[in-house]
Amino acid sequence: DTGVSQDPRHKITKRGQNVTFRCDPISEHNRLYWYRQTLGQGPEFLTYFQNEAQLEKSRLLSDRFSAERPKGSFSTLEIQRTEQGDSAMYLCASSLGAVQETQYFGPGTRLLVL
Amino acid sequence: SQQGEEDPQALSIQEGENATMNCSYKTSINNLQWYRQNSGRGLVHLILIRSNEREKHSGRLRVTLDTSKKSSSLLITASRAADTASYFCATPESTSGTYKYIFGTGTRLKVLA
Repeated sequence: DTGVSQDPRHKITKRGQNVTFRCDPISEHNRLYWYRQTLGQGPEFLTYFQNEAQLEKSRLLSDRFSAERPKGSFSTLEIQRTEQGDSAMYLCASSLGAVQETQYFGPGTRLLVL
Repeated sequence: SQQGEEDPQALSIQEGENATMNCSYKTSINNLQWYRQNSGRGLVHLILIRSNEREKHSGRLRVTLDTSKKSSSLLITASRAADTASYFCATPESTSGTYKYIFGTGTRLKVLA
């Protein structure tokens, strides 16, 4: 399977715990995006990488959130001291090269904070 | 930041009918994309239309773009139960040389067999 993969697919955690999600983009894609989606809403942009450089972070991304993309391949999104409001679907997408390219989405990680 | 807004929010039709959903956006764009999302799954890209295009077709999909009205429409002809999904438009936003896409709130389409 050469699509975008995300792990885990589901995560249940208690408030205050830290969680980490992983995204593996399509191998030749140099752009990687993280989105958050709550029920009944569209995806909200969180952050974006070009290769290993994090080029933009949304104001939605508080200091409890951090993302990395070491070596410009897979990416991780960590949420520290989770809150119930962090419960959502976290989507990763990748695209190739130049701007305005189609984004290919992974299946998402559904987070539930109790 | 700009955001596409889809209309209607929800649409229920019989199999075989056509489904039309609309997207409005706020600022000038050079392209617009439509995506589909089945319940609880990731998004699937359907079609990209550029600002110098007025209409584009892909199978049973027809997308139009009216840059003067800042609006786009997605038409699904001869709908099938498998078309049941949420449909989102996405428009680019440029900030300090970086590009990201802003998604609308979506149209939830239900096709009844």
